[in-house]
Amino acid sequence: GENVEQHPSTLSVQEGDSAVIKCTYSDSASNYFPWYKQELGKRPQLIIDIRSNVGEKKDQRIAVTLNKTAKHFSLHITETQPEDSAVYFCAAISSGSARQLTFGSGTQLTVLP
Amino acid sequence: AAGVIQSPRHLIKEKRETATLKCYPIPRHDTVYWYQQGPGQDPQFLISFYEKMQSDKGSIPDRFSAQQFSDYHSELNMSSLELGDSALYFCASSLGLPGTTTNYGYTFGSGTRLTVV
Repeated sequence: GENVEQHPSTLSVQEGDSAVIKCTYSDSASNYFPWYKQELGKRPQLIIDIRSNVGEKKDQRIAVTLNKTAKHFSLHITETQPEDSAVYFCAAISSGSARQLTFGSGTQLTVLP
Repeated sequence: AAGVIQSPRHLIKEKRETATLKCYPIPRHDTVYWYQQGPGQDPQFLISFYEKMQSDKGSIPDRFSAQQFSDYHSELNMSSLELGDSALYFCASSLGLPGTTTNYGYTFGSGTRLTVV
């Protein structure tokens, strides 16, 4: 099955700086890679996603890049704000018979004012 | 817009009791997924249903069962509860299958916090 690794587990940045979170996946058949933001005790919320036929996608301060050859994808948040502080999860879905999300272990992002 | 509705929001049960969690997907969504998230952990896939049929099974204990009804709502039944079952249980729904060109809106509900004492 799919295995997703995520780094770093914790990340502290100064307000206004950029934050980068990296994930690798194992199943070359995976073709959909969402990123979720989760605040304590709340639901995971989709912030951006990318499909395997695209190398990069941007939505305002958030961007995701995908390298299919290396099987890794990254989340980039620019001009970070205190409200960006949360746990961020990457995930992957295989195009095979398994349709469930396999999550990374999460990154606790803290944006210091 | 309507979201994924889960009930109850909080549930406290004693060891060896049973619990039933309910999930009402977004209208017209045909796929429902259940995830378990322990404290400080990432969500772990339990089971999913597509058009009322079980489509995938993950790390769901034999003590748990689930089904999807004709109105597309789903229930997760948990028996012989153990302390380790204490977690947030999320339901998610989507239209079509994630990762396919027909997929839209893989959306999570607010979750049910189950505490086993």
